[in-house]
Amino acid sequence: GAGVSQTPSNKVTEKGKYVELRCDPISGHTALYWYRQSLGQGPEFLIYFQGTGAADDSGLPNDRFFAVRPEGSVSTLKIQRTERGDSAVYLCASSVRDGGEQFFGPGTRLTVL
Amino acid sequence: QKEVEQDPGPLSVPEGAIVSLNCTYSNSAFQYFMWYRQYSRKGPELLMYTYSSGNKEDGRFTAQVDKSSKYISLFIRDSQPSDSATYLCAMTDVQSGGSYIPTFGRGTSLIVHP
Repeated sequence: GAGVSQTPSNKVTEKGKYVELRCDPISGHTALYWYRQSLGQGPEFLIYFQGTGAADDSGLPNDRFFAVRPEGSVSTLKIQRTERGDSAVYLCASSVRDGGEQFFGPGTRLTVL
Repeated sequence: QKEVEQDPGPLSVPEGAIVSLNCTYSNSAFQYFMWYRQYSRKGPELLMYTYSSGNKEDGRFTAQVDKSSKYISLFIRDSQPSDSATYLCAMTDVQSGGSYIPTFGRGTSLIVHP
């Protein structure tokens, strides 16, 4: 399977807890993107990595959200002090280069109770 | 008003019908237009992309862009039950010196019944 994978597929947590969501991009893809998709809405951009560095983090809603990609491959999206409004599907995508076709993973469905 | 507007539907059609899906946008700098298909509990997958105005055809799918009206369309001919999904339009202004990051519409839910 050469697609983008995301784990876990579902995550249920309580308000105030910390969560980590993982993305494994397609091998060799240098660009990695995180989006959030709320029910009935299109994906909203969160952050974009080129290699190990965050090239654009303008979509992160506040400082509770943080993402890393330490070795330029796997990325982790971290959410502190979760709120009920954080409930959504978190999508990861990768592309072979800047501006290339983005291939999406299946998403992690986060539910904050 | 959102930058990209898309009717959420659902749009229900019989098998074999021609389907028309549409988006309007407000940012005249958008020049690269895409259509994604998203099945339930899956990530979006790119169907077609077009640059600037004009038409592009790929099998049963045709994408149209009218920049003067800020209006884009996706037509599906001979629709099949397997076409039942949410269709998302997306666009970028990267060719205008802007961002690679696409702005998505909210998606239109399409149901093709046998």
